Amino acid sequence: DAGVTQSPTHLIKTRGQQVTLRCSPKSGHDTVSWYQQALGQGPQFIFQYYEEEERQRGNFPDRFSGHQFPNYSSELNVNALLLGDSALYLCASSLTTGVPYEQYFGPGTRLTVT
Amino acid sequence: AQKVTQAQTEISVVEKEDVTLDCVYETRDTTYYLFWYKQPPSGELVFLIRRNSFDEQNEISGRYSWNFQKSTSSFNFTITASQVVDSAVYFCALSEDETSGSRLTFGEGTQLTVNP
Repeated sequence: DAGVTQSPTHLIKTRGQQVTLRCSPKSGHDTVSWYQQALGQGPQFIFQYYEEEERQRGNFPDRFSGHQFPNYSSELNVNALLLGDSALYLCASSLTTGVPYEQYFGPGTRLTVT
Repeated sequence: AQKVTQAQTEISVVEKEDVTLDCVYETRDTTYYLFWYKQPPSGELVFLIRRNSFDEQNEISGRYSWNFQKSTSSFNFTITASQVVDSAVYFCALSEDETSGSRLTFGEGTQLTVNP
């Protein structure tokens, strides 16, 4: 049973560019949440997708957008990259009708903006 | 607003020592959940424990134990007889939403280094 997978593992972009990160949830899960973890800090909630719609959103600018596909996989898009966007981006999946608060995290995508 | 504070940025111990990681939280809700996660160098967050606000019983799982005290808004984590493999960053987290997969508010983390 595959867990949460994310791609790519590492990514280097230039300031001002756009980036797309991908997440495949654990088999059977229908909800995907994204977190940003800057170096030396705890993860911060970006947003959550369920039934292909954004259900919750943290305190992040509109440059951060997402999408969920019918197969429950998800993308995180960041436009007009800033140096401060450099971080580990974590995806977590869960089943909305499942055990409350049970989430599984992926290994993350490390984004470096130069 | 909810907040989680982990005052210990880094802790270094020698193998077989006991170590306690502190966590203090703030929330206005009476119903909430607390978590501890482990993050090894690979980056993946590993779930350790989840407690709800109505269950103040301490829990022990092998070498791990957790002390939840609502009176002091603390949820501390103790590793007994630490091992080198325990070296990682540990995060305490809080959620006020009862839905599955709800958003988590994390602390800043405590880097634990266990030396042989």
